[in-house]
Amino acid sequence: AQKITQTQPGMFVQEKEAVTLDCTYDTSDPSYGLFWYKQPSSGEMIFLIYQGSYDQQNATEGRYSLNFQKARKSANLVISASQLGDSAMYFCAMRDAPGGGGNKLTFGTGTQLKVEL
Amino acid sequence: GAVVSQHPSWVICKSGTSVKIECRSLDFQATTMFWYRQFPKQSLMLMATSNEGSKATYEQGVEKDKFLINHASLTLSTLTVTSAHPEDSSFYICSARGPGLGWDEQFFGPGTRLTVL
Repeated sequence: AQKITQTQPGMFVQEKEAVTLDCTYDTSDPSYGLFWYKQPSSGEMIFLIYQGSYDQQNATEGRYSLNFQKARKSANLVISASQLGDSAMYFCAMRDAPGGGGNKLTFGTGTQLKVEL
Repeated sequence: GAVVSQHPSWVICKSGTSVKIECRSLDFQATTMFWYRQFPKQSLMLMATSNEGSKATYEQGVEKDKFLINHASLTLSTLTVTSAHPEDSSFYICSARGPGLGWDEQFFGPGTRLTVL
């Protein structure tokens, strides 16, 4: 069974600083995908970044980068130059292998990030 | 990106009544839709996966007779909470994927907040 673990229920960061949100995963599938989503208080799920298990390089999307360490089964999200608007809940998720599973996502418990002045 | 809508965005109902929530893909054909439930300050839990034209596949512990899912067209899936009770109060989010999109891509609706009195 797949499992996603986010050990930081809450994080604080000062504006303009970088912050790392931790995510570890467990799966027996050789093919999988890892996602990070941002959920502001309005509730919508905003896709941030994706890393495939066979991708050789770490994914980057603007201020977001994913520190993918396959051997350690970790996929930490790094947000650079934090902004007040980054304050939200952040979820790490894993997609199971394609095919019969239908690409189900398993979510971690989330990390509440608060950006301070 | 592809757009998914949900209606209503919030609903309050009396205990014992049934509530229908719609999930629509606005600019793509959603061959697969997913329904999630999120209790306050908790993660998203997958309830069921529905493929257009076939019966939904429910996750373990989810009562299929209580949470009726219909995916009759390529742009619409509905979740009906039958005989709702206060413990069904939650945030319900759908997501959708389809051909022509990256096979890893899953687009989320804005969610429906259900309160059962």
